[in-house]
Amino acid sequence: GENVEQHPSTLSVQEGDSAVIKCTYSDSASNYFPWYKQELGKRPQLIIDIRSNVGEKKDQRIAVTLNKTAKHFSLHITETQPEDSAVYFCAASKGGADGLTFGKGTHLIIQP
Amino acid sequence: NAGVTQTPKFQVLKTGQSMTLQCAQDMNHNSMYWYRQDPGMGLRLIYYSASEGTTDKGEVPNGYNVSRLNKREFSLRLESAAPSQTSVYFCASSSGTGASPLHFGNGTRLTVT
Repeated sequence: GENVEQHPSTLSVQEGDSAVIKCTYSDSASNYFPWYKQELGKRPQLIIDIRSNVGEKKDQRIAVTLNKTAKHFSLHITETQPEDSAVYFCAASKGGADGLTFGKGTHLIIQP
Repeated sequence: NAGVTQTPKFQVLKTGQSMTLQCAQDMNHNSMYWYRQDPGMGLRLIYYSASEGTTDKGEVPNGYNVSRLNKREFSLRLESAAPSQTSVYFCASSSGTGASPLHFGNGTRLTVT
């Protein structure tokens, strides 16, 4: 089945700097790549997603890039703010009924 | 709309006890899922239901059973709880198959002593 690897497991950046989280996937048939943000004690919530027919997608300070050839995708957060502190999960799916396969998460810490 | 509602929020069980985690969604979604979340392990799929009347095993199904009671409700049962089942459990739903966003419930924190 699909295997998703996510790096780094912890990322600490200064407020105002950019943060990049990277994921790789194993199944070339995967075509949907969402990112979820989970604040402490809360549920994961979708922040952005991309499909395999698109190379990049932006939403204000958040962007996701996809390289299908290399089978990796990345989350970019610019001008980081304290409220960006959370655990971020990448995921991949080839559209099957079994839903998403998640990476193990990145704990993003924004230093004031 | 409440979205995805899970009960209970917290539960403590002794080894060998049984319990059922309840999940209901009001978004008319076809697909429903149960995940468990453990530190450093991400979210792992226990069971899923692609439509009313169907259920299938995910990555970590051992020790669990599920029931898709109707389109709205998808329950997870632990027949004989073990300490290894101490975890946070999330129910989720989506409108279609895997290429659709998941909507998560607020989670159930289960401790087995």
